[in-house]
Amino acid sequence: GAVVSQHPSRVICKSGTSVKIECRSLDFQATTMFWYRQFPKQSLMLMATSNEGSKATYEQGVEKDKFLINHASLTLSTLTVTSAHPEDSSFYICSARDGSDSYEQYFGPGTRLTVT
Amino acid sequence: GQNIDQPTEMTATEGAIVQINCTYQTSGFNGLFWYQQHAGEAPTFLSYNVLDGLEEKGRFSSFLSRSKGYSYLLLKELQMKDSASYLCAVLDSNYQLIWGAGTKLIIKP
Repeated sequence: GAVVSQHPSRVICKSGTSVKIECRSLDFQATTMFWYRQFPKQSLMLMATSNEGSKATYEQGVEKDKFLINHASLTLSTLTVTSAHPEDSSFYICSARDGSDSYEQYFGPGTRLTVT
Repeated sequence: GQNIDQPTEMTATEGAIVQINCTYQTSGFNGLFWYQQHAGEAPTFLSYNVLDGLEEKGRFSSFLSRSKGYSYLLLKELQMKDSASYLCAVLDSNYQLIWGAGTKLIIKP
């Protein structure tokens, strides 16, 4: 099956610093990648959709200058949380679609970000 | 607006059967997904329905009625490891996934 990896799995950083999270599709080419965040006991909230080689499409209310997304290749997308604050602490999950007709999203294992 | 409704929480007994319902109102419909998510982990794919009817896959089955905007996930022979959240998601006319809030299923021995 399609495998998506995410790195790091956990990160703790200080307020004001930036954190980069990588999402890789290991055995398929991901034409589209998605970034979600999830607060405890809540459902997934889509932050942005990115297509390889083009700018990400951000959902309403998501600051594009704070959450920088780069989808530089068909197997790699990165999310950088800039000038992180404690309220950015959350579970960040990426998913990828392979461009076939199925539209199934394959999820990475998630990254637990804690900002102190 | 787009809306997906599913119960917040359900409790069932090990070995029993449970049905998790999902109703939706979306701009267009291109299929419905069910995902399982254990606490602290990412969702994993369970099923995809695009045509009306029942899809069976082992202990799990998923049903869809497009005319009623309704789906359910049926879990048989419940095991303790089935304790998780179950997410219903609809692919709308723009092929965007619209997510429900999830149903937390608690299995008791």
